[in-house]
Amino acid sequence: KAGVTQTPRYLIKTRGQQVTLSCSPISGHRSVSWYQQTPGQGLQFLFEYFSETQRNKGNFPGRFSGRQFSNSRSEMNVSTLELGDSALYLCASSLEQGENYGYTFGSGTRLTVV
Amino acid sequence: AQKVTQAQTEISVVEKEDVTLDCVYETRDTTYYLFWYKQPPSGELVFLIRRNSFDEQNEISGRYSWNFQKSTSSFNFTITASQVVDSAVYFCALSETGTASKLTFGTGTRLQVTL
Repeated sequence: KAGVTQTPRYLIKTRGQQVTLSCSPISGHRSVSWYQQTPGQGLQFLFEYFSETQRNKGNFPGRFSGRQFSNSRSEMNVSTLELGDSALYLCASSLEQGENYGYTFGSGTRLTVV
Repeated sequence: AQKVTQAQTEISVVEKEDVTLDCVYETRDTTYYLFWYKQPPSGELVFLIRRNSFDEQNEISGRYSWNFQKSTSSFNFTITASQVVDSAVYFCALSETGTASKLTFGTGTRLQVTL
């Protein structure tokens, strides 16, 4: 059974550009969550999508957005990149939304903004 | 607001030693979930355990064991007879009712196991 797949694994972008990261959840999983991991702030929740609808949102500026497609694949977009956006972006998928279901994480996309 | 504290930033042990990773949490909810994840150098967060707030029974899984104490708001993780492959960063996390997907993570404890 394939795990959560995130592409690309590594990305280098220039300040001011925008970037799109992709996450393919485990087959059958309908919930996809995104997290940002930085040395300074640690792991922080970005947002969660379930059946193409954003269900929860963390405390990030509007430059961070996401969407989910009908096949449950999700993308997150960061516009007008800042140096501080350099981070490991992790995606997690779950069968359903709710406390009774565990979240499986992907290996992440490491974004470097120069 | 919910908060998870992992006071130990880094722990170094010699193989075969037992090691306990501490986790203290804060929440106003009476129903919540606690998690432990392992992050090896590859970056992926590997799920270890989920425990709900109504289940204070300790759990053992092979060399791993968890001690949940609501009275002290702690959910500690012990590795018995540590091995080099246990070297990783370990995160404790909390989620509250209604926002189950929103995990609040601690800052992590880096465990280094040497021969």
